[in-house]
Amino acid sequence: DADVTQTPRNRITKTGKRIMLECSQTKGHDRMYWYRQDPGLGLRLIYYSFDVKDINKGEISDGYSVSRQAQAKFSLSLESAIPNQTALYFCATSARENYGYTFGSGTRLTVV
Amino acid sequence: RKEVEQDPGPFNVPEGATVAFNCTYSNSASQSFFWYRQDCRKEPKLLMSVYSSGNEDGRFTAQLNRASQYISLLIRDSKLSDSATYLCVVRSSNTGKLIFGQGTTLQVKP
Repeated sequence: DADVTQTPRNRITKTGKRIMLECSQTKGHDRMYWYRQDPGLGLRLIYYSFDVKDINKGEISDGYSVSRQAQAKFSLSLESAIPNQTALYFCATSARENYGYTFGSGTRLTVV
Repeated sequence: RKEVEQDPGPFNVPEGATVAFNCTYSNSASQSFFWYRQDCRKEPKLLMSVYSSGNEDGRFTAQLNRASQYISLLIRDSKLSDSATYLCVVRSSNTGKLIFGQGTTLQVKP
């Protein structure tokens, strides 16, 4: 099994719908992150959490919300999806500050 | 100005060639530096950390020049399997989080 699992892998949804992307990890890391990736823009941070009671906005949090249900689970929600939220979404974890990140396989989201 | 800048390429090289990628970062207080590799439609994976003294891992050599705020990755004896996008990554001294460059695409041809 993968260390960081994202579901679903692919999703097509309609404008205005609420959608949740899920992330779970078996690495025992405290720190979890949600990024989106768009062509030519690279990875941009949406939200991050350093432990279960800690939630922080990243550089592009508008239109998104998150929930850290447990150390191992970090969900990203789009309350009312819009077409410019079409992107590849990655969840990542890290052990502590000076460590690299481990990424999930990504969720390809299309909003039509 | 982007916090981490890379030439997006693509770099097209023949097998066996040596290729170098460069990256600049804007925050002189940045602490940690990495190169990640990303295959098409896949997740980024850590290739190597970059240390001030320079470090090597097989065919890959990473260098850091703090004075010029410049990071490089050298790949020797390129293989077809090296074809990927290489992401330059810097840890922000302000937030402690990783900042990703947009990536440099390498295509190694037979």
